[in-house]
Parts: sequence; C-alpha cells; structure tokens
Amino acid sequence: GAGVSQSPSNKVTEKGKDVELRCDPISGHTALYWYRQSLGQGLEFLIYFQGNSAPDKSGLPSDRFSAERTGGSVSTLTIQRTQQEDSAVYLCASSDDMTVNTEAFFGQGTRLTVV
Amino acid sequence: DAKTTQPPSMDCAEGRAANLPCNHSTISGNEYVYWYRQIHSQGPQYIIHGLKNNETNEMASLIITEDRKSSTLILPHATLRDTAVYYCIVRVVDNTDKLIFGTGTRLQVFP
Repeated sequence: GAGVSQSPSNKVTEKGKDVELRCDPISGHTALYWYRQSLGQGLEFLIYFQGNSAPDKSGLPSDRFSAERTGGSVSTLTIQRTQQEDSAVYLCASSDDMTVNTEAFFGQGTRLTVV
Repeated sequence: DAKTTQPPSMDCAEGRAANLPCNHSTISGNEYVYWYRQIHSQGPQYIIHGLKNNETNEMASLIITEDRKSSTLILPHATLRDTAVYYCIVRVVDNTDKLIFGTGTRLQVFP
C-alpha cells in the first residue's frame, strides 16, 4: 500500500528557471492538497483539488505558481521564473473524500532550493 | 488564518504523559478538531481527531471541553521519538476543505 509519493525529493534550480513538482496521491483519493513550508515555519496552504470541482487556488502566492491535476490523480505544481524566496519544502497530501471525518495523508515533500 | 492557538514549545520527561493544549474558541458546531505532528524533515503525520466526545487511539487521547473551545492532546507515555512539532487544526468546511495549519507546539521529550 503506497502512500503519497512526491518527486523529486530534492531539486536545486537557478533563479529564473521554471520547475515542476509532482505528486502521486493514494489511489482512489479524490482530494489533493499542496502546501509550502519554509525553513523553520509552519505549513502554508497553496491549493486544493476535490474530484472534478474547480480547485481552490486561494493560497497560491503569485501568478508564477500554478497546479493541475490530470485525470483526478497525479498533480503537478509548477513554479515559473523561480525566485530565491520560493526555496522551501513543498508538501502534498491526499484524502479519500471531502467529509471532515477523514484524515489527510502527507507525502515526504520536495525540497526546492533556488540559487 | 489559523483558527487555533497553541503554546510555541513544551518539554516533557520520557515516560511521562505529555499534555498539549489547544484553544479554538471560534470553532463551529460542525467542525472537527484534528491533530497532526511533524517530526524533523518528514511530512506531517495524522494523530487523532474528534468532534465533541473524547477520543483515544493507539497513539494518543484527545480531550475536548464541553463547550468545544479548547482541547488537549495526551501522549500517555512520551518517548524520545515523540519529539516533534504538534499541530492542532480545525477542519474548515465551507466550499472547500482546507486544512489550515497554525504554528504548532514544539514538544521536546528529554531522557
């Protein structure tokens, strides 16, 4: 039983380059979340997908950030023209439906370093 | 914004019970209280959740006050491996189901 898988685990990129971060949720989970965690900080909500509904993008910090979820499964978070302040751990989580009585499971994150 | 407040840090001796408080005075009647923890360099791990009754599982117990404005996570016999940041979260359900994390409590278990 695989959990939430994220790739790559580490990514170093040059300022100004675009990056794509991938999340494979637990099979059958309809809800998917992206969070960002800067060094020593708490988790910052970025975006939420639920089934075929329009995603909640209210946490995306700028228009350089976007995410998509294809076929209701795999999700990709894209950061365009990366800046040094984008350096953080990006965490993905999934849960099996929208009811509040269900826990979300987190992946181990992608550590992004912008140099 | 997070709807919970927690002390920034706590210490606990190994083998003793760790009691982590959380205030959620604006909680709504249909919102659950969730607890997660994050051990250094790992993704958050689910611990327990509840609505109004006290809950217990193999990891912890959750005590929710009758007015639901606060709760306490209890680790009955803390071990060194329980050293982590513990997050108390109110599960917000409006049009979306965002888990909003606060700053959490850094629990240090010492020998």
